[in-house]
Amino acid sequence: DARVTQTPRHKVTEMGQEVTMRCQPILGHNTVFWYRQTMMQGLELLAYFRNRAPLDDSGMPKDRFSAEMPDATLATLKIQPSEPRDSAVYFCASGLSLDTETQYFGPGTRLLVL
Amino acid sequence: AQSVTQPDIHITVSEGASLELRCNYSYGATPYLFWYVQSPGQGLQLLLKYFSGDTLVQGIKGFEAEFKRSQSSFNLRKPSVHWSDAAEYFCAVGARGNTPLVFGKGTRLSVIA
Repeated sequence: DARVTQTPRHKVTEMGQEVTMRCQPILGHNTVFWYRQTMMQGLELLAYFRNRAPLDDSGMPKDRFSAEMPDATLATLKIQPSEPRDSAVYFCASGLSLDTETQYFGPGTRLLVL
Repeated sequence: AQSVTQPDIHITVSEGASLELRCNYSYGATPYLFWYVQSPGQGLQLLLKYFSGDTLVQGIKGFEAEFKRSQSSFNLRKPSVHWSDAAEYFCAVGARGNTPLVFGKGTRLSVIA
């Protein structure tokens, strides 16, 4: 049963610290998405990659967020420095870039910045 | 701009009763429509999707949804709700080629005995 995995599942950190979240997409999927879920804003796209190339990162605060895909099996989302308003659940999703394909979501990383 | 509206923030139904969750979308091109379910502390699981063809689509767990282009709606239905269906339900719209989804704010479903 292929699944998207995310680590860590939970993270508590202090304001100003660096946070790194990792995602392992489903093997063979060439598209990876990062979404953020908050009570106020709901689910919002932060960034997405196709064949490891970033296609859209307009949803990310560029001064503190960065997203990369070092290889096809790993996507990372970094926040430096973190702020309390970054507290949210961060989801990674993966899929194939075909017309009728869908996105499969990981369990999320629940981040709390104190 | 693309948008999805789920008018009901919270719905409570009795176990065994029927369910309909509303979803309206605004999209400039042919929409690809999805319903996802999220249980507490979990990720999103796909219930069903609509790309083209038959406007009534069947999904997992006994759910179905009907696409009505004239009403820009994609409502989710289930004839008989089970207690295990209590969760948050999200409607989403996207484009062909598996592009980023635009989500509604979700509808929280509570099921009572």
